[in-house]
Amino acid sequence: QKEVEQNSGPLSVPEGAIASLNCTYSDRGSQSFFWYRQYSGKSPELIMSIYSNGDKEDGRFTAQLNKASQYVSLLIRDSQPSDSATYLCAVRASWGKFQFGAGTQVVVTP
Amino acid sequence: EAGVVQSPRYKIIEKKQPVAFWCNPISGHNTLYWYLQNLGQGPELLIRYENEEAVDDSQLPKDRFSAERLKGVDSTLKIQPAELGDSAVYLCASSRGGLDGNEQFFGPGTRLTVL
Repeated sequence: QKEVEQNSGPLSVPEGAIASLNCTYSDRGSQSFFWYRQYSGKSPELIMSIYSNGDKEDGRFTAQLNKASQYVSLLIRDSQPSDSATYLCAVRASWGKFQFGAGTQVVVTP
Repeated sequence: EAGVVQSPRYKIIEKKQPVAFWCNPISGHNTLYWYLQNLGQGPELLIRYENEEAVDDSQLPKDRFSAERLKGVDSTLKIQPAELGDSAVYLCASSRGGLDGNEQFFGPGTRLTVL
């Protein structure tokens, strides 16, 4: 079992719709959670960090964390073609190590 | 604020040759990470430094890989000798460190091709 799991996609989303990305993790003691966006051929770019249960909103992005279910999600509202990328979930485990998921590819179709 | 700087951006070498990558983190960032990323995969941690100290190098193949972070700023990752399977993107990231400074910022990466 991978420590951080994401659906690989591709997730096809019509322009203007909401993209919903999910991530589960295995270490129950994890405290820090991050979403990165990675365009093809580029390095990961930090979008959101979340540390507490509940929702955190930043512009068109909302991160949701549920530690009891070991689940973190990212919602992208009003999806734009420029949102087409791979989204990486990262978790800082209780012993300090960062684990990345393999990423979910999002394709926003006009 | 300048971002994480890495060089070179691309490197093509023949197998069994040595190669080195350099990273300059964001100013004031005490924690530095080296990752390896294969196509279609997430970054995999090779080594993490807190200032000058390597605090997590459990995934670093120590028979051929080495790293150093002298003076707690710049870092160098070396592979000697390189193997075909080492072809990947090598990413450097930095963070402020401490309990609240976990957000990592990545450099542009070095794409290594071993022939």
